Amino acid sequence: SQQGEEDPQALSIQEGENATMNCSYKTSINNLQWYRQNSGRGLVHLILIRSNEREKHSGRLRVTLDTSKKSSSLLITASRAADTASYFCAWSGGYQKVTFGTGTKLQVIP
Amino acid sequence: AAGVIQSPRHLIKEKRETATLKCYPIPRHDTVYWYQQGPGQDPQFLISFYEKMQSDKGSIPDRFSAQQFSDYHSELNMSSLELGDSALYFCASSPTGTGSTDTQYFGPGTRLTVL
Repeated sequence: SQQGEEDPQALSIQEGENATMNCSYKTSINNLQWYRQNSGRGLVHLILIRSNEREKHSGRLRVTLDTSKKSSSLLITASRAADTASYFCAWSGGYQKVTFGTGTKLQVIP
Repeated sequence: AAGVIQSPRHLIKEKRETATLKCYPIPRHDTVYWYQQGPGQDPQFLISFYEKMQSDKGSIPDRFSAQQFSDYHSELNMSSLELGDSALYFCASSPTGTGSTDTQYFGPGTRLTVL
């Protein structure tokens, strides 16, 4: 995507391991959100981090934001097979629209 | 808790036909957004409405139009359908007009297939 990207594009780990996904963007932002999408299904909101925040936790999720590097990371600890999905970061800098990154496909092997 | 409702969930159309997708936002949410996600692609913003007025516009083709009604539901009208319009269409809603600071809650999507 010309607006930003995520890496890795695909990640395969064993159940119980941690998964880290990175997101980079190119514009200034007001907030950044992470979404999960199971194959062909809807987008489930995971967590929102505002531009003045550096780290946020929600259950097994930990999100960091570095506005100086225009990057964010999502860490899923103690992964489970049910975490298998695509994960998208999405940021908002303008008035309304949210721009999505290219997504990371996570596979958690039981 | 109530979520965003989209209908229909699946739609099959022929080329050059028209399609109408509907979105019912979460109660008390006055802002709706439409996104298109092609196969293997990330979602792309199409258009948004706040208090029945268009508030932002993205990569929406001229063949598409949308509006938000007095009950805050929204409809995306697509005409002269092309094969490339086959995609998942998501609607999202947020509680205020300041979408840039609010979480957008997504519906389950409508899968449009153009034959």
